[in-house]
Amino acid sequence: QKEVEQNSGPLSVPEGAIASLNCTYSDRVSQSFFWYRQYSGKSPELIMSIYSNGDKEDGRFTAQLNKASQYVSLLIRDSQPSDSATYLCAVNDNTDKLIFGTGTRLQVFP
Amino acid sequence: GAGVSQTPSNKVTEKGKYVELRCDPISGHTALYWYRQSLGQGPEFLIYFQGTGAADDSGLPNDRFFAVRPEGSVSTLKIQRTERGDSAVYLCASSSLGGELFFGEGSRLTVL
Repeated sequence: QKEVEQNSGPLSVPEGAIASLNCTYSDRVSQSFFWYRQYSGKSPELIMSIYSNGDKEDGRFTAQLNKASQYVSLLIRDSQPSDSATYLCAVNDNTDKLIFGTGTRLQVFP
Repeated sequence: GAGVSQTPSNKVTEKGKYVELRCDPISGHTALYWYRQSLGQGPEFLIYFQGTGAADDSGLPNDRFFAVRPEGSVSTLKIQRTERGDSAVYLCASSSLGGELFFGEGSRLTVL
């Protein structure tokens, strides 16, 4: 059973701080990794993808991947109240489907 | 259309009834996915189409669930003899080959 594990939270951070969201996965052959943001009552939207070890930065978001440790993380710098949402980690193996974690709920308070 | 369209947005039915949920993907997207999301959980994979054929239906929970995509575009998820445990948001997503998944707004199913 391929699994993607996330802490459900909530993770509470003050406005302007760095939010760090973590995810581990069980399938060593996984090649593609994604972070989706889901606002309450809405559908998931892709915010970051990462395919190789190391860091990938896009604006205030940085995705980090360590395949040896089977670990992927998302850092959100200068967190804003509008970042408050559930962040879903998703992993794509060789079967072309995404396996999602349960999501981490992030709360950014003013 | 501009995005993935799902209908109905809400469906309330009684236990034992038959339900159909429809998904109209982004034009030109060859891949179509169905997921189910319960409260507080991540999306759970159900089935994936590449063109008209089901490339992977390993996530369908039992034989009460069936999905079709006869012309390689619109897909219908069919649930027979609904049970209360089927209550969830059913999400459809589409993508071009190897591309990003775009999700629809979902169909919320409530089985009374």
